[in-house]
Amino acid sequence: ETGVTQSPTHLIKTRGQQVTLRCSSQSGHNTVSWYQQALGQGPQFIFQYYREEENGRGNFPPRFSGLQFPNYSSELNVNALELDDSALYLCASYVGAGNNEQFFGPGTRLTVL
Amino acid sequence: RKEVEQDPGPFNVPEGATVAFNCTYSNSASQSFFWYRQDCRKEPKLLMSVYSSGNEDGRFTAQLNRASQYISLLIRDSKLSDSATYLCAVNCLLMDSNYQLIWGAGTKLIIKP
Repeated sequence: ETGVTQSPTHLIKTRGQQVTLRCSSQSGHNTVSWYQQALGQGPQFIFQYYREEENGRGNFPPRFSGLQFPNYSSELNVNALELDDSALYLCASYVGAGNNEQFFGPGTRLTVL
Repeated sequence: RKEVEQDPGPFNVPEGATVAFNCTYSNSASQSFFWYRQDCRKEPKLLMSVYSSGNEDGRFTAQLNRASQYISLLIRDSKLSDSATYLCAVNCLLMDSNYQLIWGAGTKLIIKP
């Protein structure tokens, strides 16, 4: 196992609601990336946090936001949920910049009705 | 053209056979390359990093061809347990000078008895 944990494992929400997903990184890792993975697709990069600062963002709207805490755990917040937000949300932790190997948590499966 | 492309498959291969897949990337400045394995409804798990000189781990061999901008994964003596989706990931430099991983959509491999 990678030591990366995520909660909750599954979540059902309705359109317009807000959701917070959580990720605890592997011990010794200071960077967390969040990804959205739709069925049959590869992970799509949402953003990454390094030492509590966002230092990279993919093509996602501002209603996707995040935080990283001093212990390097992280949250992903999504406001005004849309049906297309239904996906597996993955966080990956690693050391330093995006060149390094990333280790994933088990993911949160979000369903928006 | 997608930044990272893979043949989605599925590749149906008899147990014991050798199978290979490629992953092409468009950004010639990419420096880090990875193969991940993803089982159904699970998170991606790192299979191997891909180095310039190529690398081997047991039955698995990964190679990088910078001139043609692709990476390859070779699986020898395939096992039933090798059935999974194989994702490639390539790092790309963001406009803000940070790196992110760009993912292919994956190649589905089915090993048949």
